[in-house]
Amino acid sequence: AQKITQTQPGMFVQEKEAVTLDCTYDTSDPSYGLFWYKQPSSGEMIFLIYQGSYDQQNATEGRYSLNFQKARKSANLVISASQLGDSAMYFCAIGSAAGNQFYFGTGTSLTVIP
Amino acid sequence: SQTIHQWPATLVQPVGSPLSLECTVEGTSNPNLYWYRQAAGRGLQLLFYSVGIGQISSEVPQNLSASRPQDRQFILSSKKLLLSDSGFYLCAWSSRDFYNEQFFGPGTRLTVL
Repeated sequence: AQKITQTQPGMFVQEKEAVTLDCTYDTSDPSYGLFWYKQPSSGEMIFLIYQGSYDQQNATEGRYSLNFQKARKSANLVISASQLGDSAMYFCAIGSAAGNQFYFGTGTSLTVIP
Repeated sequence: SQTIHQWPATLVQPVGSPLSLECTVEGTSNPNLYWYRQAAGRGLQLLFYSVGIGQISSEVPQNLSASRPQDRQFILSSKKLLLSDSGFYLCAWSSRDFYNEQFFGPGTRLTVL
């Protein structure tokens, strides 16, 4: 079975600064994907970034980057130059073909302060 | 491009009434389809997933059921709603592999009174 842990229920960051949202995972599957989603107050789930377990380089998408440390089983999301619109819930997730499963963490609420 | 639709957007139902939520996907074929429930202030709980027409896997035993009558249609149902069924229901699709990203619909907010 797979497990995703997000230990930060709430985070605050000053506008224009960078912030790191933590995510650790537990899986015995050799091939898996790690994902980050953003959920604003409207409720929609917005896909942000993906990291494959065999990818050598950390994934980046604009202001989002994923700090992937496979040995530590961590997949932290880094948001650079925070904007007020980044205030939302952020969910980490893991999916694997072998386990036929897709699990979400409990989420981190990010508030960007002007 | 692919789009995913869910309706209704909001629903208020009495305890014991039936439920039918519909999800359709456009712009792709043979997708994996998923139903999630999110309680207020909580993470997502996978309820059902489907890898093909008529193929449904249930993750959590409950009074809900799912069906996939067509390739791009996924329906969540209940014969008798419970108070605990209240929540935000999200449908999602992905390409065949479970390690591919999932794309979500706008969700249905269900309140059972």
